[in-house]
Amino acid sequence: AAGVIQSPRHLIKEKRETATLKCYPIPRHDTVYWYQQGPGQDPQFLISFYEKMQSDKGSIPDRFSAQQFSDYHSELNMSSLELGDSALYFCASSLDGSRGQYFGPGTRLTVT
Amino acid sequence: AQSVTQLDSQVPVFEEAPVELRCNYSSSVSVYLFWYVQYPNQGLQLLLKYLSGSTLVKGINGFEAEFNKSQTSFHLRKPSVHISDTAEYFCAVSDPWGYSTLTFGKGTMLLVSP
Repeated sequence: AAGVIQSPRHLIKEKRETATLKCYPIPRHDTVYWYQQGPGQDPQFLISFYEKMQSDKGSIPDRFSAQQFSDYHSELNMSSLELGDSALYFCASSLDGSRGQYFGPGTRLTVT
Repeated sequence: AQSVTQLDSQVPVFEEAPVELRCNYSSSVSVYLFWYVQYPNQGLQLLLKYLSGSTLVKGINGFEAEFNKSQTSFHLRKPSVHISDTAEYFCAVSDPWGYSTLTFGKGTMLLVSP
C-alpha cells in the first residue's frame, strides 16, 4: 500500500539559510499535518491543511510557512534557520480523524 | 486543552514476558485515542486506535489496549514481547472530529532483552 512520502530524508543547512521540506500524502487523503520532533522529544504539532486550506495551527514559528497544493502535496518552508530547528520533521496524512494519521518517514534537518 | 501522560519513560523487560505501557489522558470532551510505535531512526507507525464501542482494542503485532473512561486511561499491553518490540511507544489523543491534530505523550521506551 502507498505510504506518505517525504523528501529529502536528510538535510544539512547552515544558520540563517532556508529549507523546503516536501510531503506527498497517501492518495485520496484530504488532510496533511506537519510535526516537529526534537531529540528525545515527543512530536509537536506545527500546522495542518484540509482540502488545501489551513485547518489548524500549532507551535509553528513565524519563520516557517507551509501550504498544500492542488495535487495535495504539501511543502514546509523554513527561513532564517536556527540551531534549535535541528529536528525530525514528520508529515502525516489522513482521510478523516477517525482512521488515524499515517506518518511519513520524516526529514532529519541538521542546522550547523 | 488535552494532555497525555505516559507514566514510565523507560520499561525494561525480558523476552517472552508480558508488558503494560501506561497512558492517562486529560480532556473536557470525548476523545479518540491512539498508540504509535517508533523504531530507531524511523517514522511513527499506528499500532491501534480507540474511537468508540468495545473498550478492548486489538492492534498489530499482538498488541492490545483497554480504554477505561472512569480512570481516563488507555494502557497498552502485550502478553509476550519479542526483542523486535524494542522501540519508543507514544500514546496520543485527538478530538473526535475530522481533521483534529494529535497531542502526544512524552513516550515510553520499551527495552526487551534476552
